[in-house]
Amino acid sequence: QQQVKQSPQSLIVQKGGISIINCAYENTAFDYFPWYQQFPGKGPALLIAIRPDVSEKKEGRFTISFNKSAKQFSLHIMDSQPGDSATYFCAAVRSGSARQLTFGSGTQLTVLP
Amino acid sequence: EAGVVQSPRYKIIEKKQPVAFWCNPISGHNTLYWYLQNLGQGPELLIRYENEEAVDDSQLPKDRFSAERLKGVDSTLKIQPAELGDSAVYLCASSPGAGKKAGELFFGEGSRLTVL
Repeated sequence: QQQVKQSPQSLIVQKGGISIINCAYENTAFDYFPWYQQFPGKGPALLIAIRPDVSEKKEGRFTISFNKSAKQFSLHIMDSQPGDSATYFCAAVRSGSARQLTFGSGTQLTVLP
Repeated sequence: EAGVVQSPRYKIIEKKQPVAFWCNPISGHNTLYWYLQNLGQGPELLIRYENEEAVDDSQLPKDRFSAERLKGVDSTLKIQPAELGDSAVYLCASSPGAGKKAGELFFGEGSRLTVL
């Protein structure tokens, strides 16, 4: 059962453009939504995360938008740079005793120079 | 601060051979995870440890996979015998434990397994 659905599978953006990656979840018990960034040959690294009590969180060029009623959240990368080219995974977790991250299937972002 | 260390980085074996992966988590991190990542997919949990105890191993194929975390620090993941379908990247991650940052995992660089 895929509890976190991520789209698109791949994304190509020009330098300076906006990259948008979308995720939808099913389990309303999820209460923490991190995004991970993975470069080739490396492990995923936490990029930014949000809790459902806020609708938006911004860190530098990265913004998470969260829509609790629609059970959707998205990552926006403003002024995309070639160095942002990587695979991005959304994830969701129910904090507490479970603490098992459920990852989306990933989006391979390519930012053209 | 040192990150999560995994070895070997790459391993090529023939099917039916055994293989083992080692993980050293970040110092002080009580929770340790082993994830499987197939090409083009997100990581999938194999097993989670809280200190020495395996608290979630429901996704671990126990007929051929085994794991241990002696003394609640380093961990080893073993596959015996390996099958062609086991070719993947095996990721180890650690986290400090309970609390608000439940989803903040620190991953190693992974061990890429190729089964011929």
